[in-house]
Amino acid sequence: NAGVTQTPKFQVLKTGQSMTLQCAQDMNHNSMYWYRQDPGMGLRLIYYSASEGTTDKGEVPNGYNVSRLNKREFSLRLESAAPSQTSVYFCASSEAGGVNTEAFFGQGTRLTVV
Amino acid sequence: GDSVTQMEGPVTLSEEAFLTINCTYTATGYPSLFWYVQYPGEGLQLLLKATKADDKGSNKGFEATYRKETTSFHLEKGSVQVSDSAVYFCALSDRTGGFKTIFGAGTRLFVKA
Repeated sequence: NAGVTQTPKFQVLKTGQSMTLQCAQDMNHNSMYWYRQDPGMGLRLIYYSASEGTTDKGEVPNGYNVSRLNKREFSLRLESAAPSQTSVYFCASSEAGGVNTEAFFGQGTRLTVV
Repeated sequence: GDSVTQMEGPVTLSEEAFLTINCTYTATGYPSLFWYVQYPGEGLQLLLKATKADDKGSNKGFEATYRKETTSFHLEKGSVQVSDSAVYFCALSDRTGGFKTIFGAGTRLFVKA
């Protein structure tokens, strides 16, 4: 039972480089999320997708783009990486609606931009 | 918009001490409330939840009661163990917020043997 799988686990980028973080879930969840975690700031929502085919901005979307490729996969792209994007990135998924909105998280991607 | 405020850490306790981590929330609707735990090097995992006022969530000796009148969801444990050392996040999910999960800043707990 894989749950939420993120790749890669670690990445170092040079300023200006681009990359895509991949996320897939096998729980048939409708909603998927990308968060970043920074010291002292908890988790901040970057983008989310309430269902296949829809995406919406979260609290800190600037510098990122997302694609909900299908129900299972939700990718996060950095077009031109900046040092301020050094962070730990978490993908999560949940059932849509109702009280069963527990979020299931991947193991995280530690990204360093130099 | 919706928000969650939790006590700043780190919190350092001796084994078998009583733990309280305070959490208050602001929401326009009637949110579900959660506590998540993050062990070193891992993602977050659900610790407990409560979906309506006066509900008590409990798991692994941890408890939290949904208090609508004080908009609070404080986490408690009667006797902590070294293995409880982790970061604890209070969170909410609200229909009017599109069921996005909003997290507090997290509270790091260190338990000494």
